[in-house]
Amino acid sequence: AQSVTQLDSHVSVSEGTPVLLRCNYSSSYSPSLFWYVQHPNKGLQLLLKYTSAATLVKGINGFEAEFKKSETSFHLTKPSAHMSDAAEYFCVLKAAGNKLTFGGGTRVLVKP
Amino acid sequence: DGGITQSPKYLFRKEGQNVTLSCEQNLNHDAMYWYRQDPGQGLRLIYYSQIVNDFQKGDIAEGYSVSREKKESFPLTVTSAQKNPTAFYLCASSPLAVNYNEQFFGPGTRLTVL
Repeated sequence: AQSVTQLDSHVSVSEGTPVLLRCNYSSSYSPSLFWYVQHPNKGLQLLLKYTSAATLVKGINGFEAEFKKSETSFHLTKPSAHMSDAAEYFCVLKAAGNKLTFGGGTRVLVKP
Repeated sequence: DGGITQSPKYLFRKEGQNVTLSCEQNLNHDAMYWYRQDPGQGLRLIYYSQIVNDFQKGDIAEGYSVSREKKESFPLTVTSAQKNPTAFYLCASSPLAVNYNEQFFGPGTRLTVL
């Protein structure tokens, strides 16, 4: 069985400070991992993906994530938060087949 | 522009009525998916299709039905058998290439049962 756990349901940061969103996974197979962002009442947009190449993955809008197999983690970071980063973020796992397993989401609040 | 469109954006239904949500893509993707999203939860897979005229149940298919008569279209019907249909519904698509992993999402339809 595979699963994804996002360790924080809500994260609040001040504009200009770093953002850390934590994600742990469980999979019997070598996983592909993704971070998606969802703004209110919108679809999901891909931020970045890990597919067994480099363990440090850079994505759009200044986000990056590091795959750590020993810790079964794929945490998302950004050095300096912007007001437009306020959204919900999903960590997603793809193992065998084309089906995705979603984490419960982390809602990010950015304070001016 | 290539992409996925869903309509309508908002849908209201009376209890006991069936409703159909539209999903169209012009990305030439073979696979299409329907997800349900409830507040504070991740997405859950309802149905998916990897080829025209074929589809499989996902994790929460009860009370839903789909068809895949054309590659571009994958409509979802929410039937009266679905006990709690109020939710945000997202359609997605992807190629079926072995090394291709990500799915592309539409803007969603918010269904409210009155």
